[in-house]
Amino acid sequence: DGGITQSPKYLFRKEGQNVTLSCEQNLNHDAMYWYRQDPGQGLRLIYYSQIVNDFQKGDIAEGYSVSREKKESFPLTVTSAQKNPTAFYLCASSLGQGGTEAFFGQGTRLTVV
Amino acid sequence: AQSVTQLDSQVPVFEEAPVELRCNYSSSVSVYLFWYVQYPNQGLQLLLKYLSGSTLVKGINGFEAEFNKSQTSFHLRKPSVHISDTAEYFCAVSFTRVSGGYNKLIFGAGTRLAVHP
Repeated sequence: DGGITQSPKYLFRKEGQNVTLSCEQNLNHDAMYWYRQDPGQGLRLIYYSQIVNDFQKGDIAEGYSVSREKKESFPLTVTSAQKNPTAFYLCASSLGQGGTEAFFGQGTRLTVV
Repeated sequence: AQSVTQLDSQVPVFEEAPVELRCNYSSSVSVYLFWYVQYPNQGLQLLLKYLSGSTLVKGINGFEAEFNKSQTSFHLRKPSVHISDTAEYFCAVSFTRVSGGYNKLIFGAGTRLAVHP
């Protein structure tokens, strides 16, 4: 079945540690996105990538980094510079053309203690 | 600036009653509009979308939405809700850049629909 896989579903880390969230898609989509979700704030765009080896900062990129070495993969690293990393992270992909919907993974809930 | 406003953060309703979840957007260019549903601790699932054509759009699970350009709205409706419709609903807007297309979705803050027996 085609879709987007995020792993792990739950992740716990100590403060000050970097952590990488995985996102893989087999939909042959060019565009991929990372969103952060906090209660009552909707989804905020962290990074997006329209094509392999290219990515752009979204609205809240500080403290995060990404790579896009393969079309299928778009990992997100939450660095120690992110001041409030505890959140629900959602990865999405789309054909990348205006008007096409985004398909979402099941999310990763990151808790930093 | 382009934005999406969901006017109600929570909507309680009894089972089998009708419901409307409101969404307004702000944009100076043409838009594409979407409604997504999110069940607890899950990703988002597309309910329906408006790209062009008929302003009344039908989606999955009996939901429909109407695009009103003059009022810049895209309200979601269902004539009779079920307990299983309890979830969070997100309105989203997509704008295509003039220089040609990247699909940046802007989301509203979400509306939590609570269906009671």
